[in-house]
Amino acid sequence: QQPVQSPQAVILREGEDAVINCSSSKALYSVHWYRQKHGEAPVFLMILLKGGEQKGHEKISASFNEKKQQSSLYLTASQLSYSGTYFCGTSGGSNYKLTFGKGTLLTVNP
Amino acid sequence: DVKVTQSSRYLVKRTGEKVFLECVQDMDHENMFWYRQDPGLGLRLIYFSYDVKMKEKGDIPEGYSVSREKKERFSLILESASTNQTSMYLCASSLQGYGGDYGYTFGSGTRLTVV
Repeated sequence: QQPVQSPQAVILREGEDAVINCSSSKALYSVHWYRQKHGEAPVFLMILLKGGEQKGHEKISASFNEKKQQSSLYLTASQLSYSGTYFCGTSGGSNYKLTFGKGTLLTVNP
Repeated sequence: DVKVTQSSRYLVKRTGEKVFLECVQDMDHENMFWYRQDPGLGLRLIYFSYDVKMKEKGDIPEGYSVSREKKERFSLILESASTNQTSMYLCASSLQGYGGDYGYTFGSGTRLTVV
């Protein structure tokens, strides 16, 4: 079952912050985040394993709340290069595969 | 620079044709995956393989099969192409781990049009 991402789309001005959420109806072992620019392959951003840890990647960070079965991606002081579609991928831990959400389209304008 | 290479960027095939999509990775990854990407639906898993000659069905395997004879190569086969298989196909690979321990590296995709 696909995780649910929200919002579906968000438009920002440079320097503004955004939060993208990913919720699952199943118990989670790991959550991945990817960014895909138009016409390009998705690029891995970070992975969070169960334990409620938070990770950071420059001005992009994420949290994972395994009890609530959800993860959030935080983009602070957004840059034009942050534009793209963000996908979360979730795994219940019983096999090797990820199930991806439908994506969140982020547009950063000057 | 490590990468996943898909043999064709664009492909046009006729209904009923047998279609082969090829994917090669140079990272010695154990796991390989085939996803299709459609607007508004995200990435949906067709098949994956966690070892040579091993394969498992994903969420939408109907109308597809796969082959993995060598560790670096994973092929997706459309037995008899239909128009509803027009889509972007993405191949990915990762190190073998328990339940998604490692990030995926994706290929650039093959945009298949079935006419």
